[in-house]
Amino acid sequence: AQSVTQLGSHVSVSEGALVLLRCNYSSSVPPYLFWYVQYPNQGLQLLLKYTSAATLVKGINGFEAEFKKSETSFHLTKPSAHMSDAAEYFCAVKSNDYKLSFGAGTTVTVRA
Amino acid sequence: DAMVIQNPRYQVTQFGKPVTLSCSQTLNHNVMYWYQQKSSQAPKLLFHYYDKDFNNEADTPDNFQSRRPNTSFCFLDIRSPGLGDAAMYLCATSRRTGDTDTQYFGPGTRLTVL
Repeated sequence: AQSVTQLGSHVSVSEGALVLLRCNYSSSVPPYLFWYVQYPNQGLQLLLKYTSAATLVKGINGFEAEFKKSETSFHLTKPSAHMSDAAEYFCAVKSNDYKLSFGAGTTVTVRA
Repeated sequence: DAMVIQNPRYQVTQFGKPVTLSCSQTLNHNVMYWYQQKSSQAPKLLFHYYDKDFNNEADTPDNFQSRRPNTSFCFLDIRSPGLGDAAMYLCATSRRTGDTDTQYFGPGTRLTVL
């Protein structure tokens, strides 16, 4: 069964600093991977997705993620954090029966 | 803009009083999902409809039911809410064609049980 593990439940960064959120996957087949962002009292918004077309995936709000098969990773990055990036971030993998398996989530706080 | 809409955004009910949450979509997607999300946790799938076919998760309590009268609408019924059912309820949709099957989420309904 496919699953993801997010390393670090909380990440704190300074405004303007690099944001790095870690996600490792477990899958016996080529995975379909997703990053979602959730702001307080909101639903999940799709940031980006990996569908095997390209290993470097660019998403919304300046985020990107790189699929590394050798490391079974799909880490999310943003070169320069903004205050508006403060939110909860979920990595997810699509299972064989089309369900999403979510990581536990990483809360990002941005310091002024 | 095509979207997933949930009403109401905030719902307060009393212990044991039935409540219905609503989800509608303008994406014309054939799959609709209901998730429960408790504080500081990942969303947990309750059930989904693939067209008219209802798919219940094995660990979803009988207290939770769902209806999908047409492609655009899906309802979540909680027959006798308990304090433990207080949570954010998220609706999502996807178009199940090909492999990607990306899910798009609504803004959620925050349920409070008094």
